[in-house]
Amino acid sequence: GDSVTQMEGPVTLSEEAFLTINCTYTATGYPSLFWYVQYPGEGLQLLLKATKADDKGSNKGFEATYRKETTSFHLEKGSVQVSDSAVYFCALSGGFKTIFGAGTRLFVKA
Amino acid sequence: DAGVTQSPTHLIKTRGQHVTLRCSPISGHKSVSWYQQVLGQGPQFIFQYYEKEERGRGNFPDRFSARQFPNYSSELNVNALLLGDSALYLCASSLDRGSGGTDTQYFGPGTRLTVL
Repeated sequence: GDSVTQMEGPVTLSEEAFLTINCTYTATGYPSLFWYVQYPGEGLQLLLKATKADDKGSNKGFEATYRKETTSFHLEKGSVQVSDSAVYFCALSGGFKTIFGAGTRLFVKA
Repeated sequence: DAGVTQSPTHLIKTRGQHVTLRCSPISGHKSVSWYQQVLGQGPQFIFQYYEKEERGRGNFPDRFSARQFPNYSSELNVNALLLGDSALYLCASSLDRGSGGTDTQYFGPGTRLTVL
């Protein structure tokens, strides 16, 4: 069945460091891909999405590109801030279901 | 506009009991999905409903059931509760413009269920 694998955390970075959180997927068909974020004490919210191969989703300085050839959707940010500390979830949607990865917790130190 | 709302916020039950969780989607959203999130894990898909019909179902036992009402609100029912059902139950709604269920989902705050 469909699945999402993302890098285990926690990831600890200093402010202004470069961030990469890896995400790979297996799916039949052509799913849409998402990154969701859960800030401390808040609910899940969409960070960015891509609906077809080679699409790039971006928001708040974060980017991810839908790579069909490598079945990946890695999340990147050039310069993280303390306020980016959160849990990040990679997800795929297709066939009337959404599959989430296990989540990666990010800590950013000042 | 109000976001997705869920009730109750917290719930404590004992093994073998039954529970009903409720969800009201964002106004205009016709699709509702339910997820179970165990502490430290990602949300696990349970059901997706659209226009009162079940369109997708995850790998959960028949003790889990749901329905969607004409106003698009939804209920999740769990029978014969087990300790392992303790989790945060999330509801999400989406516009669903015929995209095969791949529209952006907007999540509610969840219902925290504890089974003793």
